[in-house]
Amino acid sequence: AQSVTQLGSHVSVSEGALVLLRCNYSSSVPPYLFWYVQYPNQGLQLLLKYTTGATLVKGINGFEAEFKKSETSFHLTKPSAHMSDAAEYFCAVSALGAGNKLTFGGGTRVLVKP
Amino acid sequence: DAMVIQNPRYQVTQFGKPVTLSCSQTLNHNVMYWYQQKSSQAPKLLFHYYDKDFNNEADTPDNFQSRRPNTSFCFLDIRSPGLGDAAMYLCATSRYPTDVAPQHFGDGTRLSIL
Repeated sequence: AQSVTQLGSHVSVSEGALVLLRCNYSSSVPPYLFWYVQYPNQGLQLLLKYTTGATLVKGINGFEAEFKKSETSFHLTKPSAHMSDAAEYFCAVSALGAGNKLTFGGGTRVLVKP
Repeated sequence: DAMVIQNPRYQVTQFGKPVTLSCSQTLNHNVMYWYQQKSSQAPKLLFHYYDKDFNNEADTPDNFQSRRPNTSFCFLDIRSPGLGDAAMYLCATSRYPTDVAPQHFGDGTRLSIL
């Protein structure tokens, strides 16, 4: 079984400040990890993914995440927040043999203050 | 551009009146998924099709059914909608269930129950 916990359902950052969204996972097999962004009344858009190999993963819109197996974490960061980053962010886990079924965390809503 | 299209974007129905939501894809993907996303919650997988093989999640209510007449289209039928079924319904696709390729999402249909 797999599960995902996102710490903080709401995060408020100032424009230009660091964005840090926390994600911890549980998986009995090597995980595949994803971050998605959802803008109001839209579907989910993939930001980045980790499958194997390099543990620091770069995605779109300046986001990156680091897979830390020892900490079972996959935190998402962006050095400088932009107003357009205001959205909801979901961390998700899957694995080979899981039928590509994604298990999502509860989501973190990001507010960017001018 | 290849994409996942959901129609309608907004659907209003009456309590107990059957409703059908539509999803089409031009990606020629083998797998199509339906997720339910209630307000401020993570998406929850209802079921998926791998080609013509239907896979229901164990906790999906019997009130929810699906049809996939061909590769491009998939429908979600709610036989007798209750107030608790008001949600955003997201369609997603993948090429194969064993791929680590992330699922591509449509923009969703927001269902309201009167």
